[in-house]
Amino acid sequence: DAKTTQPPSMDCAEGRAANLPCNHSTISGNEYVYWYRQIHSQGPQYIIHGLKNNETNEMASLIITEDRKSSTLILPHATLRDTAVYYCIVRANYGGSQGNLIFGKGTKLSVKP
Amino acid sequence: NAGVTQTPKFQVLKTGQSMTLQCAQDMNHNSMYWYRQDPGMGLRLIYYSASEGTTDKGEVPNGYNVSRLNKREFSLRLESAAPSQTSVYFCASTLLPGQGMTEQYFGPGTRLTVT
Repeated sequence: DAKTTQPPSMDCAEGRAANLPCNHSTISGNEYVYWYRQIHSQGPQYIIHGLKNNETNEMASLIITEDRKSSTLILPHATLRDTAVYYCIVRANYGGSQGNLIFGKGTKLSVKP
Repeated sequence: NAGVTQTPKFQVLKTGQSMTLQCAQDMNHNSMYWYRQDPGMGLRLIYYSASEGTTDKGEVPNGYNVSRLNKREFSLRLESAAPSQTSVYFCASTLLPGQGMTEQYFGPGTRLTVT
């Protein structure tokens, strides 16, 4: 699986958009970009994933560059409850049995009033 | 649906003691996983079960054993606990094995301290 690079921490003002970057310059053509977050002491929570096209759901938007070497997770109107560690994970769509996720250290997002 | 449940939530063991961490999911998922998370670190895979009746080692399997009891339940056993196994343990499940379109659902974690 491709390695990802994320900034260790970011701040965001409440109500503003939070833009979390992720570099994955060695991504392969069959690898998806996943985002999870972990609110303090809880289990990780799935946010969104994509392959090539930009994606949006009720939680966030995912913007993937045309060359797929980087992506940005956007929380359009951050709230205090969005304070968490955000993990960017790149994983292939395996045909076999291994579906585990490889977590790095992520980005600690602090949303401030 | 309760999702993924784990018991116990907290546990303190003495070095050399054994225990089993329990995990169950009610989403009819095929694959289940055990991760550990040490302070300030990301999650690391201990063992996984792609489907009922199969188990495989992950990144850090030493000192652990697992049992996929049935489709719903996947347990993690520490035969002789060591202080290095002090960690938070998360169980997860996913609908299909190895499918890129399927997210993993995580339990609330078990906080284990070995003294």
